[in-house]
Amino acid sequence: GIQVEQSPPDLILQEGANSTLRCNFSDSVNNLQWFHQNPWGQLINLFYIPSGTKQNGRLSATTVATERYSLLYISSSQTTDSGVYFCAVERSNDYKLSFGAGTTVTVRA
Amino acid sequence: DSGVTQTPKHLITATGQRVTLRCSPRSGDLSVYWYQQSLDQGLQFLIQYYNGEERAKGNILERFSAQQFPDLHSELNLSSLELGDSALYFCASSVGDRQAQYFGPGTRLTVT
Repeated sequence: GIQVEQSPPDLILQEGANSTLRCNFSDSVNNLQWFHQNPWGQLINLFYIPSGTKQNGRLSATTVATERYSLLYISSSQTTDSGVYFCAVERSNDYKLSFGAGTTVTVRA
Repeated sequence: DSGVTQTPKHLITATGQRVTLRCSPRSGDLSVYWYQQSLDQGLQFLIQYYNGEERAKGNILERFSAQQFPDLHSELNLSSLELGDSALYFCASSVGDRQAQYFGPGTRLTVT
């Protein structure tokens, strides 16, 4: 199956800092989504972004499908940004969303 | 609140038993997905239904089965439960294929 690698595995930030999370994938995709799993376990869809750039408040994401990677930017981080960020992709000839192992973000006040 | 509901929130049962997890998708969504999240396997896709028909199958064991009903709610049946089946089971829904997926709060299954 498709390989999804996320980096870094862990990130500790001071409140107010900016950060970049990366997602590399091993095959062509036509579906890429970013999710945030909060400390209570809820999975929240942040972006549906198979290509291009999107912004939502302090978060933005860019996917360069031809180079098989996506980036998630968190600006002016807040303690509520803590949790695990997952990248998930679906191959062009598939209907299965494959998740990376996630990046665990801890934002300290 | 994603609009996807799952019941029950928690389930504790013994090995060898059978359980049913329920999911109601967001209003208007035709696709329902089931995922399993465990510490050792991470988030794994199990199965997808679209408007009542099975669309895709992932790493779903033969002891597990699912269906989507005419009102679009879905059930995941887990039988002959083993200790290793203990996990968080999520349901998600989307308008159609290759669209943003919205997750329910999950059902935490503990097999003792």
